[in-house]
Amino acid sequence: AQSVSQHNHHVILSEAASLELGCNYSYGGTVNLFWYVQYPGQHLQLLLKYFSGDPLVKGIKGFEAEFIKSKFSFNLRKPSVQWSDTAEYFCAVRKSGGYQKVTFGTGTKLQVIP
Amino acid sequence: EAQVTQNPRYLITVTGKKLTVTCSQNMNHEYMSWYRQDPGLGLRQIYYSMNVEVTDKGDVPEGYKVSRKEKRNFPLILESPSPNQTSLYFCASKTSPNTGELFFGEGSRLTVL
Repeated sequence: AQSVSQHNHHVILSEAASLELGCNYSYGGTVNLFWYVQYPGQHLQLLLKYFSGDPLVKGIKGFEAEFIKSKFSFNLRKPSVQWSDTAEYFCAVRKSGGYQKVTFGTGTKLQVIP
Repeated sequence: EAQVTQNPRYLITVTGKKLTVTCSQNMNHEYMSWYRQDPGLGLRQIYYSMNVEVTDKGDVPEGYKVSRKEKRNFPLILESPSPNQTSLYFCASKTSPNTGELFFGEGSRLTVL
C-alpha cells in the first residue's frame, strides 16, 4: 500500500525566512501529488498539485513544489514566509489512473513568528 | 457558492448515544468521502462513495456507517459512539472518483464522553 511521510512535524520560522517542507511517498508507479493547507480552525484546501509535465509546480500564495521521481519526493517551498502562512500542511499521494484513493501524510504544523 | 456543508460543527455526546453527522455538497460531485483527523495521524479515510448507492470502506471504518441515497448527501452515522471516536471529522467531495482535487467541509469536532 502507498504511504506518505512528512518528517517535519512542527516547524517554527521567523517572517521572511525560507521554507521547505519534506514529503516522501512509497509507491513506485505513476502518481498524482498534492499539498493541502489547513489554516487554524478551517478546513483543508488545495495549495498545489502535480499530475504530469513540468516537475516544478507553482501554487497559490507563492508556494511551489518540486517532484523528484528518483527520490520519491514532492517537497513544498516558499522563498519568504509570512505570519499568515501559519497553518498545518498535508502532503497527499494518489496512484494515477482510474479510481485510486488519496493517502495523506501526518501533516506539518508551521508556525511563523512575526 | 460551491461548498461542502457539515452539521453539527461541534458535538459533545455520551457513549452509546447514536448520532449522525450530515454532509451535503452543492457541486454535483459524484465522489464523497469521510475522514477523521487525529493528532500525529493525519487524515484517515473512514468511508467513501463513488456514486449514489455505491459506498465502500476506507482505512478505519469500524464503528461507522454511511449511506448515499442522494448525490448531494453523505451522512456519517455512529450507531454506538465510544470515546475512541472522539475526533475531528471532515467530509470531502470531488467531481468524479478519477479526478484529483478534494473539496473539504469545515469539519465536525466530536467528543464522546
